[in-house]
Amino acid sequence: DARVTQTPRDKVTEMGQEVTMRCQPILGHNTVFWYRQTMMQGLELLAYFRNRAPLDDSGMPKDRFSAEMPDATLATLKIQPSEPRDSAVYFCASGLKHNEQFFGPGTRLTVL
Amino acid sequence: TQLLEQSPQFLSIQEGENLTVYCNSSSVFSSLQWYRQEPGEGPVLLVTVVTGGEVKKLKRLTFQFGDARKDSSLHITAAQPGDTGLYLCAGEKNFGNEKLTFGTGTRLTIIP
Repeated sequence: DARVTQTPRDKVTEMGQEVTMRCQPILGHNTVFWYRQTMMQGLELLAYFRNRAPLDDSGMPKDRFSAEMPDATLATLKIQPSEPRDSAVYFCASGLKHNEQFFGPGTRLTVL
Repeated sequence: TQLLEQSPQFLSIQEGENLTVYCNSSSVFSSLQWYRQEPGEGPVLLVTVVTGGEVKKLKRLTFQFGDARKDSSLHITAAQPGDTGLYLCAGEKNFGNEKLTFGTGTRLTIIP
């Protein structure tokens, strides 16, 4: 049963610290998406990749966020420095067919 | 600006009742998807509708895409506790773009 995996599942950190979230997409999927979900804003697209190349990161605060795909089995989302307003659940999703996205379980980030 | 408004925001009904939730926009979408999200998990795709006026059925769930492709509805017949969750609609503005805009969500609770 292929699934998207994300680590860590929960992260509590202090303001100013660096946070790295990892995602393993489903093997063979060529698109990877990063989303952020909050009660106020709902589910927002931060960035997405196709065949490891970044296609759109317009939803991501560029000054502190960065997203990369070092290889086809790993996507990372980094926040440096983190701020309390970054507290949210971050989801990774992967897909192969058009408009088919499979979501991971999310990383719940709390920045104190 | 939230492009996709869902209503109601919260809905709590008794097991066995019928319900409809709505997803509305002033924008035209090339396709629209419905997801269900359970606590601590990522959204799971239920259905994709692409043609104006299209109706799709998934067991007790009936999905309809508006004729003008600006709105959609989800009707559940004889709701069961297992239907409890956050229902999200998501629209694709430009076919093939792969970027989805998610709605504000309807949190559904089915009382046994």
